[in-house]
Amino acid sequence: DAKTTQPNSMESNEEEPVHLPCNHSTISGTDYIHWYRQLPSQGPEYVIHGLTSNVNNRMASLAIAEDRKSSTLILHRATLRDAAVYYCILRDIITQGGSEKLVFGKGTKLTVNP
Amino acid sequence: EAQVTQNPRYLITVTGKKLTVTCSQNMNHEYMSWYRQDPGLGLRQIYYSMNVEVTDKGDVPEGYKVSRKEKRNFPLILESPSPNQTSLYFCASRFRGGQNYGYTFGSGTRLTVV
Repeated sequence: DAKTTQPNSMESNEEEPVHLPCNHSTISGTDYIHWYRQLPSQGPEYVIHGLTSNVNNRMASLAIAEDRKSSTLILHRATLRDAAVYYCILRDIITQGGSEKLVFGKGTKLTVNP
Repeated sequence: EAQVTQNPRYLITVTGKKLTVTCSQNMNHEYMSWYRQDPGLGLRQIYYSMNVEVTDKGDVPEGYKVSRKEKRNFPLILESPSPNQTSLYFCASRFRGGQNYGYTFGSGTRLTVV
């Protein structure tokens, strides 16, 4: 799986928007961009994914650069419950040789201030 | 409620005493995986299964066994646990329909081997 680069940490204030960046300059044409988050003492939680177009769901929005070499996860109004480690992961649409796994990097630790 | 259930949540055991961590999902998912999470090393895949009776090694399979006799269950077996298997373990599952589907993770099992 191609490598992603994220800032180690970010800070936000409650009820303000948060933009979490991810660089993936070696992304291939068949890679989906997935985001997961892990709240303290919990398992990772799927947030959103996209291929080329921007995506919205009830949790967040995903903005994908036109060249797909970067993406941004947008939390429109951060709450204290959004404090977590956010992981950006690339997933090839073609499962290579039957391998099926998520490759987690270090992610971005988001702190939300009241 | 759609979920992945792991048991136990916490376990302290002694070196060499066989143990099984159970994982069950109620979403009729084909794909299931086991991960371990260690400080500084992040989440790493132990084993995965693409369907009943189909399993394969992940990145760190040594010292572990799995079985997939039923679609809903994917137990992780430690035949002779050692202290280096002290870790936080997560089970995950997803629908098989391409990379358009995210994983659902369990709440984790914290294992200590003394």
